[in-house]
Amino acid sequence: DVKVTQSSRYLVKRTGEKVFLECVQDMDHENMFWYRQDPGLGLRLIYFSYDVKMKEKGDIPEGYSVSREKKERFSLILESASTNQTSMYLCASSFWSATNEKLFFGSGTQLSVL
Amino acid sequence: EDKVVQSPLSLVVHEGDTVTLNCSYEVTNFRSLLWYKQEKKAPTFLFMLTSSGIEKKSGRLSSILDKKELFSILNITATQTGDSAIYLCAAPGAGSYQLTFGKGTKLSVIP
Repeated sequence: DVKVTQSSRYLVKRTGEKVFLECVQDMDHENMFWYRQDPGLGLRLIYFSYDVKMKEKGDIPEGYSVSREKKERFSLILESASTNQTSMYLCASSFWSATNEKLFFGSGTQLSVL
Repeated sequence: EDKVVQSPLSLVVHEGDTVTLNCSYEVTNFRSLLWYKQEKKAPTFLFMLTSSGIEKKSGRLSSILDKKELFSILNITATQTGDSAIYLCAAPGAGSYQLTFGKGTKLSVIP
């Protein structure tokens, strides 16, 4: 079974702190994604990557950056956390395929910024 | 801009009821539509639909796609409390591998 692992289930940080959210997948997937999920807004794409060292902005990249130094690992960075970044963060991965866009999700990180 | 709209946003039913969840879409160069179930944290895959009129079935869950009217439905028969979850509908955008998600339908099944 595909496994997508996010390093923390719950995280509490202070405003202004630098925050790293880590995601690792074990199925050699080319594509990796970071979403945030907020009540009433659904899942919104922050960034995605289709290859090592490649990244593309999603719908809401402001205040975030990403890093993909190895194929299996995709990190989301909040350079200076703010209270409006309190949210559930979901990492996902998928194969590079035009006929199967199925995403595999991690269990999520609930981030609270105080 | 690609759009996926789900309705209703929330639903409360009694065990044993049958429910129908709706998903309409406006996506350039449509390829597929996917349904996910999110119980606690990680959404888990349910169905991927690519062809109109062909029902996909898994136990008490089934789904069908109408490419002419641009919508899909997810049916759950004889609901159980374990069906309580957020159900997400998504479609890939034109020429890309990123999914556009609907806001989800929160289903609560009460005994």
